[in-house]
Amino acid sequence: GAVVSQHPSWVICKSGTSVKIECRSLDFQATTMFWYRQFPKQSLMLMATSNEGSKATYEQGVEKDKFLINHASLTLSTLTVTSAHPEDSSFYICSARDEGRVYEQYFGPGTRLTVT
Amino acid sequence: RKEVEQDPGPFNVPEGATVAFNCTYSNSASQSFFWYRQDCRKEPKLLMSVYSSGNEDGRFTAQLNRASQYISLLIRDSKLSDSATYLCVVNPMDSSYKLIFGSGTRLLVRP
Repeated sequence: GAVVSQHPSWVICKSGTSVKIECRSLDFQATTMFWYRQFPKQSLMLMATSNEGSKATYEQGVEKDKFLINHASLTLSTLTVTSAHPEDSSFYICSARDEGRVYEQYFGPGTRLTVT
Repeated sequence: RKEVEQDPGPFNVPEGATVAFNCTYSNSASQSFFWYRQDCRKEPKLLMSVYSSGNEDGRFTAQLNRASQYISLLIRDSKLSDSATYLCVVNPMDSSYKLIFGSGTRLLVRP
């Protein structure tokens, strides 16, 4: 089956620093990946759609200069949280769309970010 | 109105019970529907896609009513391991392939 990995699985950082999260599709190519954020007891909220070789599409209310997305290859997308603040502490999950199964997405295991 | 609405629960049922979850969606043009399962502090995992004719996978049955814009999931013979949050997910059928998640229904199966 389709496997998506994320790294790191958890990270603690200090306010003002930047954190990079990687999302990889391990056994399929993904021209489109998605980044979600989930706060405790809430559902997943789509932050942005990451497109290989082009700029990401951000959802309304998500600051593109704060959440930098790079999708440089068909198997890797990165999300960088810049100048992190405690309110950015959350569970960040990526997903990748399998080109062969158009509407199904496979999720990475998530990255738990804590900003102190 | 939320794009995808679910009863948050929790549903607390004994082992062996049958339980049904409902979901409504607001975009009548939506074409793809899914149920995902999410365990605590884990990523969502696809449980099943939902087809117009309805579909069954073991103890799980999904139904779609396009006229009412309503999706359901039925779990028969509940197991302790079914305890999780069940997410109703809709693809709004635009070119981005993005998924819209409901807030989830929490299920607790007790011994």
